[in-house]
Amino acid sequence: QSALTQPASVSGSPGQSITISCTGTSSDVGSYNLVSWYQQHPGKAPKLMIYEVSKRPSGVSNRFSGSKSGNTASLTISGLQAEDEADYYCCSYAGSSTSWVFGGGTKLTVL
Amino acid sequence: QVQLQESGPGLVKPSQTLSLTCTVSGGSISSGGYYWSWIRQPPGKGLEWIGYIYYSGSTYYNPSLKSRVTISVDTSKNQFSLKLSSVTAADTAVYYCASGVGGGGWDVWGQGTTVTVSS
Repeated sequence: QSALTQPASVSGSPGQSITISCTGTSSDVGSYNLVSWYQQHPGKAPKLMIYEVSKRPSGVSNRFSGSKSGNTASLTISGLQAEDEADYYCCSYAGSSTSWVFGGGTKLTVL
Repeated sequence: QVQLQESGPGLVKPSQTLSLTCTVSGGSISSGGYYWSWIRQPPGKGLEWIGYIYYSGSTYYNPSLKSRVTISVDTSKNQFSLKLSSVTAADTAVYYCASGVGGGGWDVWGQGTTVTVSS
């Protein structure tokens, strides 16, 4: 069982927006603005899409955005494209004794 | 642009020690502020943080693996390494090395290397 809870799957049509949630606790997501999101296509290494809750690395499309409320972080993808179909993982700092925890991953299907 | 490449045996016997190396190119492993990490992914499952070594040499490990994990750096070779002892089939996974700056996530990843634990 993963430390952070994500829906197993989400889907949307091209052009639509979807949101993936990542629920933790007051010991991780709720305590630190150190949530990151990763995109992983089959057989490939993960790619950083969002860091520190809402910041985008250089080169990542502005269709990807992140936010946090309480113990839940969210990744929103607007204007869905076929290439967005992938697995998405959230990750949060959980304090010095635990360090970093991942969510179980969400499979995004673009219909 | 920093690039990472994992290397090591693809098959390890149960109870033995898994040893992997990550070679850093395009930058110095001694560069300030970077966390040099190991992350793994069992077949069909999610990501698990194993641990990292800070550029200063400080190490941080996943509590669930701490008793079996050692991460070290060889600055002369611009490499960092992972040793995981007493492996079982549950340690079968794709092992990634990755780097990042503090809380900014891991923005550079190796391609990953598959390690199977089997007799």
